[in-house]
Amino acid sequence: DAMVIQNPRYQVTQFGKPVTLSCSQTLNHNVMYWYQQKSSQAPKLLFHYYDKDFNNEADTPDNFQSRRPNTSFCFLDIRSPGLGDAAMYLCATSTSLETQYFGPGTRLLVL
Amino acid sequence: GENVEQHPSTLSVQEGDSAVIKCTYSDSASNYFPWYKQELGKRPQLIIDIRSNVGEKKDQRIAVTLNKTAKHFSLHITETQPEDSAVYFCALSMNTGFQKLVFGTGTRLLVSP
Repeated sequence: DAMVIQNPRYQVTQFGKPVTLSCSQTLNHNVMYWYQQKSSQAPKLLFHYYDKDFNNEADTPDNFQSRRPNTSFCFLDIRSPGLGDAAMYLCATSTSLETQYFGPGTRLLVL
Repeated sequence: GENVEQHPSTLSVQEGDSAVIKCTYSDSASNYFPWYKQELGKRPQLIIDIRSNVGEKKDQRIAVTLNKTAKHFSLHITETQPEDSAVYFCALSMNTGFQKLVFGTGTRLLVSP
């Protein structure tokens, strides 16, 4: 009965090679979020979708893009991963006014 | 933007003791205050939350208190157990149509048997 699913759980990519992380939800929540979390730090919001409306945080690098083809799915595209992009990437969902629920995360390793 | 200070950064207690983690904020428009527990390598999990129209909320061994005047909120864990060991993040948001969470820096709680 997983509610927020992320695939893959672990992703290894090469420096500069595009990579896509995926998130799906069974909660029918209208808001989906992508966070980056580095070791021993708090999650950092990259962007969110409110329904189909994309909202980028001001300090999110252009290297990060996102797609939301439908309510259930959201993708994080990293166009040219650098060593500094190695992190845990967390997807979360919520309704407009309620609690955020996090997925299990995808740990990205850049070689 | 809003800033959340969280203290302490590390907290070690003996099993059965109480643990208290405190967060302070500056924007009085903040009106939603969740606490997340994150075990090593796992997702942040909501353990309790409170809204600005309530001063205290309790769920078994966990309680949260909110002082809007002083702009701080605290997590209280009583009768701690080794499985309470984790990193705890406070957060807050202002309802602007979605929950944009601002996180504290985290507290690593270690409960020794």
